[in-house]
Amino acid sequence: GALVYQYPRRTICKSGTSMRMECQAVGFQATSVAWYRQSPQKTFELIALSTVNSAIKYEQNFTQEKFPISHPNLSFSSMTVLNAYLEDRGLYLCGAREVALNYAEQFFGPGTRLTVL
Amino acid sequence: GEQVEQLPSSLIVQEGASVLINCSYTDSASVYFPWYKQEPGKRLQFIIDIRSNMERKQNQRLTLLFDKKTKHLSLHITATQPGDSAIYFCSAPSGSWQLIFGSGTQLTVMP
Repeated sequence: GALVYQYPRRTICKSGTSMRMECQAVGFQATSVAWYRQSPQKTFELIALSTVNSAIKYEQNFTQEKFPISHPNLSFSSMTVLNAYLEDRGLYLCGAREVALNYAEQFFGPGTRLTVL
Repeated sequence: GEQVEQLPSSLIVQEGASVLINCSYTDSASVYFPWYKQEPGKRLQFIIDIRSNMERKQNQRLTLLFDKKTKHLSLHITATQPGDSAIYFCSAPSGSWQLIFGSGTQLTVMP
């Protein structure tokens, strides 16, 4: 079956430092990966959409300079949170999809929970 | 861009009761609406979806109603069980397929 793994599951970093999180798709080709952040208030924000061999599209309030994303192949994507501050804390989810399938279910990883001290 | 509103933010019911979760969206071009469930410590789980050419979809105790005219969706859960306790999210596509989520409904089913 199709599964999405995320590493690490939890991480703590000091304010002003950076941390990298990874997303791995197993059992299908993750042509597109969307990164989301779930705030402590539980709402989800879309950060960016990454499609292999295409430019990464960032949503308003999120930038490549702050959240650089790498999507080098059909099974792996990574995102870094640069200069993390308190407002960056939350659960970061990646959702992956095989674009060839119309209305295909988006598979989510378990998330990386970021705590900023 | 698409915006999704979800109400209520929380529901507390006794086991066996039925609940209704409402969502509205803004982009009339949206055609696919998946719903997810998030249990503590577990990954986001797809539970049901509906396309804009349908008015109703049922999956066991879940019934999803869609009104294209009013841009409104309703998820009806019958015969609730304590295991149904979770946060439920409606969503709508933004752009091609990435999702905009509602703010979530925390459902607590008391035994």
